Amino acid sequence: GENVEQHPSTLSVQEGDSAVIKCTYSDSASNYFPWYKQELGKRPQLIIDIRSNVGEKKDQRIAVTLNKTAKHFSLHITETQPEDSAVYFCAAANTGTASKLTFGTGTRLQVTL
Amino acid sequence: DADVTQTPRNRITKTGKRIMLECSQTKGHDRMYWYRQDPGLGLRLIYYSFDVKDINKGEISDGYSVSRQAQAKFSLSLESAIPNQTALYFCATSDFVAVSSTDTQYFGPGTRLTVL
Repeated sequence: GENVEQHPSTLSVQEGDSAVIKCTYSDSASNYFPWYKQELGKRPQLIIDIRSNVGEKKDQRIAVTLNKTAKHFSLHITETQPEDSAVYFCAAANTGTASKLTFGTGTRLQVTL
Repeated sequence: DADVTQTPRNRITKTGKRIMLECSQTKGHDRMYWYRQDPGLGLRLIYYSFDVKDINKGEISDGYSVSRQAQAKFSLSLESAIPNQTALYFCATSDFVAVSSTDTQYFGPGTRLTVL
């Protein structure tokens, strides 16, 4: 089955700096890669996703890049703000078969003032 | 997201007891999932169901069972709870439509289960 590794497990940045979280996946058939944000005590919520036919996707201050050859994808947050502090999860799925997500282990991002 | 609800929100029980966690959704999605969240381990899939007659094991199904009573309801049972099942449990639904579509998952608020 699919295996998703996520790094780093914790990340501390100053407000205004950029943050990058990286994930690798093992199944070359995976074609859908979402990112979820979980604030303290809350449920995970989708913030951005990308399909394998696209190399990069951007939504305001967040962007995701995908390298299919290397089987890795990354989340980029620019101009970080305190409200970006949360745990971020990457995931991968093959929507052509049993479309179920395999999640990474999460990155706790702390944005300091 | 108020469209996916879970009951109870918190539960403390003892080893050996049978526990049922319930999930309901008003989003009209066919696909429903149960996950377990532990610190440092992320979200791990316990069971999933793509329609009322479809039940599939996830990566950590041992010690758990599920029931899909209707499109809107998906229950998770621990037949004989043990302390290492202490965790945060999330139900989710998905809007998957076709192979070429996305597969956004909508999570419930979670149930915090403690097994003593």
